[in-house]
Amino acid sequence: DVKVTQSSRYLVKRTGEKVFLECVQDMDHENMFWYRQDPGLGLRLIYFSYDVKMKEKGDIPEGYSVSREKKERFSLILESASTNQTSMYLCASTQRTGSIGIQYEQYFGPGTRLTVT
Amino acid sequence: QKEVEQNSGPLSVPEGAIASLNCTYSDRGSQSFFWYRQYSGKSPELIMFIYSNGDKEDGRFTAQLNKASQYVSLLIRDSQPSDSATYLCAVMGHGNNRLAFGKGNQVVVIP
Repeated sequence: DVKVTQSSRYLVKRTGEKVFLECVQDMDHENMFWYRQDPGLGLRLIYFSYDVKMKEKGDIPEGYSVSREKKERFSLILESASTNQTSMYLCASTQRTGSIGIQYEQYFGPGTRLTVT
Repeated sequence: QKEVEQNSGPLSVPEGAIASLNCTYSDRGSQSFFWYRQYSGKSPELIMFIYSNGDKEDGRFTAQLNKASQYVSLLIRDSQPSDSATYLCAVMGHGNNRLAFGKGNQVVVIP
């Protein structure tokens, strides 16, 4: 059974703290993604990675950085947490895309609900 | 930036009826289309995938794709209370590693 795990389900941090969110997948997927989900705004892509040590900015990368030192692990870092980063954070992974017609399903982790006070 | 639009209001349907959800997208080069279901407090799970024009059926779900008009729809037949969830439309470009998601449609099935 495929699995994407995230380090915490709930996290409370103070403004200015450095926050690490960890994601691990056991499917040997090349691609990994970090999203945040907010009411009325839907799922928004923060960063993604298509290989070890490779990363690309998504739609809302400001205030975030990422690290991918191993294929199975993708970390999201909030360098200095702010209250507007209070959100649900979702990690996902998928095999590398290429051919049309192949179902490149993104598998999601359970999410981390981060509250910054 | 690719845009994926879903009409935003909650959809209430009686049990046993058909729920119809629509999604339009802006990138004409988009190749693959997905419908995810998300229960409250849970993460999204894939329920339908379609890449060629026409209809694709899987159980009580039917996805319909019209690339010329740039829309994709989802029909849920014989709606059940367990179908009450938010449905997310997602679009992928050719050779693209990323999905663009709509904001979702909440469906409430009334027993």
